[in-house]
Amino acid sequence: KNQVEQSPQSLIILEGKNCTLQCNYTVSPFSNLRWYKQDTGRGPVSLTIMTFSENTKSNGRYTATLDADTKQSSLHITASQLSDSASYICVVSERSGGYNKLIFGAGTRLAVHP
Amino acid sequence: KAGVTQTPRYLIKTRGQQVTLSCSPISGHRSVSWYQQTPGQGLQFLFEYFSETQRNKGNFPGRFSGRQFSNSRSEMNVSTLELGDSALYLCASSLRLAATRSSYNEQFFGPGTRLTVL
Repeated sequence: KNQVEQSPQSLIILEGKNCTLQCNYTVSPFSNLRWYKQDTGRGPVSLTIMTFSENTKSNGRYTATLDADTKQSSLHITASQLSDSASYICVVSERSGGYNKLIFGAGTRLAVHP
Repeated sequence: KAGVTQTPRYLIKTRGQQVTLSCSPISGHRSVSWYQQTPGQGLQFLFEYFSETQRNKGNFPGRFSGRQFSNSRSEMNVSTLELGDSALYLCASSLRLAATRSSYNEQFFGPGTRLTVL
């Protein structure tokens, strides 16, 4: 069964510190992987999209990595800010017939404390 | 460029009633997807509409239905509401089918409709 698992489930860090969120998937055949940030009570906002051939992609203080061989991705947040407090969702696109299918992880809830 | 809008933002209903939620995609976007989000289950895919046709469907009962109009606006309907239908319902739009082979076909989410069933 195609699945996307994220860890940790929740994380608390101090402002200014770095952190790394993990995403492991068993989706095959793989098309692309996306990271979203969702603030409480709001819709998710895309951070990065990576294809099979991309290993790293950055968006400001957010850097996503992808290892298609081990089927692992990580999202690294540098110099965290209070506004980084949110849920981070990993989404993997599975190639399925004429169109792809999106499979969502359960998310990691990050809290940044002053 | 205006983002995805959803109405209403909050809704309270009682068991057995029905509800209709509305989503207006970003101008020019032809695909609209609906998701249910609950604390325990995370984001669950409901269905996707493209050019007024349902193109993909998740594993939800027939009480959940939708439609898309010629201007790409979409509505989602839930009949015979149950307590477990309480959730945040999110709508997302994209230029093409959400998970199209073009890896950069990004989905843009609306703020959601918070439905509470009493």
